[in-house]
Amino acid sequence: DQQVKQNSPSLSVQEGRISILNCDYTNSMFDYFLWYKKYPAEGPTFLISISSIKDKNEDGRFTVFLNKSAKHLSLHIVPSQPGDSAVYFCAARSQGGSEKLVFGKGTKLTVNP
Amino acid sequence: DAGVIQSPRHEVTEMGQEVTLRCKPISGHNSLFWYRQTMMRGLELLIYFNNNVPIDDSGMPEDRFSAKMPNASFSTLKIQPSEPRDSAVYFCASSLSGGLGNQPQHFGDGTRLSIL
Repeated sequence: DQQVKQNSPSLSVQEGRISILNCDYTNSMFDYFLWYKKYPAEGPTFLISISSIKDKNEDGRFTVFLNKSAKHLSLHIVPSQPGDSAVYFCAARSQGGSEKLVFGKGTKLTVNP
Repeated sequence: DAGVIQSPRHEVTEMGQEVTLRCKPISGHNSLFWYRQTMMRGLELLIYFNNNVPIDDSGMPEDRFSAKMPNASFSTLKIQPSEPRDSAVYFCASSLSGGLGNQPQHFGDGTRLSIL
């Protein structure tokens, strides 16, 4: 059973527009959420995170929103750039001291010039 | 700053052979993680160490897999004997943990393993 789900395998947007990537989770014990970006033949690169005590975290063009009641988080990229084209992974960690991250299967974002 | 370093980047070997993957974490990081990525199952945690001690190995698929961390700057993941279904990309990651709030894991570029 997938505890972290990214239901859209792919997303295509125009340069300059907003990209919205979505992630749903089932485990109410998750208290820390992260987004990673991955280019081909490279490892995942940390992008932005959010603690469950917050509902929004912003870093430049990237904003993560957390809706705990819906067990949903989203990553907004504004404005999108061609260099943002990559696979984006959502990950979550459970409270209680474990450092184990559970990853979604990723969404491939393509930003068209 | 040097990131997480993994070797080799690619490994092709025949089934039944022993495979050893290597990882050097970021200097000063005290937690180390081994992940496997496949098309079917995505990115899965195999095992993680904190201060060189294995903490959670529940993701290790079977006894053919073993991992060690003899010191703070080196870890190995060994598969013996290897099987074709072990073909995947294996990632190592490290983080700084303990009383510092939430810290992200930083990944190496992976080892692409192909078992023929």
